[in-house]
Amino acid sequence: DVKVTQSSRYLVKRTGEKVFLECVQDMDHENMFWYRQDPGLGLRLIYFSYDVKMKEKGDIPEGYSVSREKKERFSLILESASTNQTSMYLCASSLDGQQPQHFGDGTRLSIL
Amino acid sequence: DQQVKQNSPSLSVQEGRISILNCDYTNSMFDYFLWYKKYPAEGPTFLISISSIKDKNEDGRFTVFLNKSAKHLSLHIVPSQPGDSAVYFCAARIFGNEKLTFGTGTRLTIIP
Repeated sequence: DVKVTQSSRYLVKRTGEKVFLECVQDMDHENMFWYRQDPGLGLRLIYFSYDVKMKEKGDIPEGYSVSREKKERFSLILESASTNQTSMYLCASSLDGQQPQHFGDGTRLSIL
Repeated sequence: DQQVKQNSPSLSVQEGRISILNCDYTNSMFDYFLWYKKYPAEGPTFLISISSIKDKNEDGRFTVFLNKSAKHLSLHIVPSQPGDSAVYFCAARIFGNEKLTFGTGTRLTIIP
């Protein structure tokens, strides 16, 4: 079974802090993704990566950056956290574009 | 612009009956569709998918139907069980593109 692990289930940070969300997958998948889930808006793609050191913007990249130094690890960075970034963040991975994405259990981030 | 729409935020169905969840899309370039199921405090899990070359795909109690002319897909669950209570997301992908576009989700409640 594919295992996608997000480092924190719950996180509380303050406005203006730099925040790191970490995600690790154990199946040697090429693609990794970061989404946020908000009520009434579904899942929206922030960034994705199709290879080490490669990244592409998703639908809502503003205020975020990502890092993929190793194949198994994909980090989401909030450069200067703001209250409108309070959300559920979900990481996913897939072997290739023809395979379903597998999700981690999410990080509920609160920015105070 | 919401390219994948789930117009019913919630649905309640009696245990043992059929649950029908609907999804509409606007982008005719989508050629692969997926359904995910999400329990609270967990990440979405892949349920079933369908390629645009088919109009039906079945897996146990779950069947997905695709009507390309109407740009509509539906998920049928028969018979519905209490463990099916969850939020269901439909998602769509353009061929060769790694990105998924998700709908806003439908909360299904199975009444014992």
